[in-house]
Amino acid sequence: EAQVTQNPRYLITVTGKKLTVTCSQNMNHEYMSWYRQDPGLGLRQIYYSMNVEVTDKGDVPEGYKVSRKEKRNFPLILESPSPNQTSLYFCASSRRGTYSYEQYFGPGTRLTVT
Amino acid sequence: AQKITQTQPGMFVQEKEAVTLDCTYDTSDQSYGLFWYKQPSSGEMIFLIYQGSYDEQNATEGRYSLNFQKARKSANLVISASQLGDSAMYFCAMRDYTGNQFYFGTGTSLTVIP
Repeated sequence: EAQVTQNPRYLITVTGKKLTVTCSQNMNHEYMSWYRQDPGLGLRQIYYSMNVEVTDKGDVPEGYKVSRKEKRNFPLILESPSPNQTSLYFCASSRRGTYSYEQYFGPGTRLTVT
Repeated sequence: AQKITQTQPGMFVQEKEAVTLDCTYDTSDQSYGLFWYKQPSSGEMIFLIYQGSYDEQNATEGRYSLNFQKARKSANLVISASQLGDSAMYFCAMRDYTGNQFYFGTGTSLTVIP
């Protein structure tokens, strides 16, 4: 089954404790992206990756890091989480090359930083 | 800067009636893609329909159609014959000409009344 998986699905952590949210896709997609969803703000793009070892900032990259060492994986790293990073996070993937391809989303990771 | 505007935070529709969810976008690019996604209360993001900026015909997918008015920069979603399962949050999104950046609106919460 074609899918994007994220782990963990739920995470409660404390301020400053480094964490990683994993994302993996089995569709051989070149493009992957991370979003955060906050009430009243919709989804906002954090980082995206056009291919292995190629990443770039989205609209809200502050406080986040990413890496793309393998085509299928695109982890999101919060090195020193703060309460304002409490949010619902989505990973997504798609074919790359044009603007016509839809994204496939993971199930989401709900993060709470206390 | 790219921007997606959804002006209807919440909408109600009677079961079996049609409903239109509004979306306007702002871009200076000639090439772009427009998407609608559905997010039920379970949280996953479900792709509904796509319209390319050069597509002359309005896109249709089953009960979903996209009313694309390029000169007015609007991409409204029309759901015909509403069903109870259509109750969800709906997001309008735009993919830029590079295919790398995605912009989402703030969403419209649709409630279908039996």
